[in-house]
Amino acid sequence: GAGVSQSPSNKVTEKGKDVELRCDPISGHTALYWYRQSLGQGLEFLIYFQGNSAPDKSGLPSDRFSAERTGGSVSTLTIQRTQQEDSAVYLCASSFNSPYNTGELFFGEGSRLTVL
Amino acid sequence: QKEVEQDPGPLSVPEGAIVSLNCTYSNSAFQYFMWYRQYSRKGPELLMYTYSSGNKEDGRFTAQVDKSSKYISLFIRDSQPSDSATYLCAMSRGGGADGLTFGKGTHLIIQP
Repeated sequence: GAGVSQSPSNKVTEKGKDVELRCDPISGHTALYWYRQSLGQGLEFLIYFQGNSAPDKSGLPSDRFSAERTGGSVSTLTIQRTQQEDSAVYLCASSFNSPYNTGELFFGEGSRLTVL
Repeated sequence: QKEVEQDPGPLSVPEGAIVSLNCTYSNSAFQYFMWYRQYSRKGPELLMYTYSSGNKEDGRFTAQVDKSSKYISLFIRDSQPSDSATYLCAMSRGGGADGLTFGKGTHLIIQP
């Protein structure tokens, strides 16, 4: 695809249910990031993948959160036993190799999660 | 103290005005400084990128970094209603795998 694709765009779930959020990065981009954006909280880093490995998981807020990436492409963020405080927009971004020489991450439009 | 501080606004100015958006930071190791623009219900997109101190100009936009004061700015000249968006500053140390540290974003409204 032309850009980073995320699905679902909107998800409403009940407290305690598990959810899976999917990210399809730009073809050829080796780095993939998950961020969470809550109202008034800005962008919160969750996890970073280089290829299929995740050298930095430091941002995952609890052990209910996990993520994987397969084939160096698609990534899935899983939230188990969702809580109301998990309600946010989950943004995926990708970049070619390291973003640190350009600062450019390419973001998807996000998955808006609402936990009732 | 948060690593990056940014006034969330909203900042409302009339069309044609010069807009000044700012961030302060505490980590002197930051060397790469960026501004992202985010329209409503869209993902952020890179607007400006600078390395270390100095100014960078791109059309109506100027990014300024003062590392001695730990202060960065984005200036928008001849502001247009289409500039209405949330502007997020971001910065990184570089050379690592820790992603970018973002400000909370400033919501800018340009009144026609």
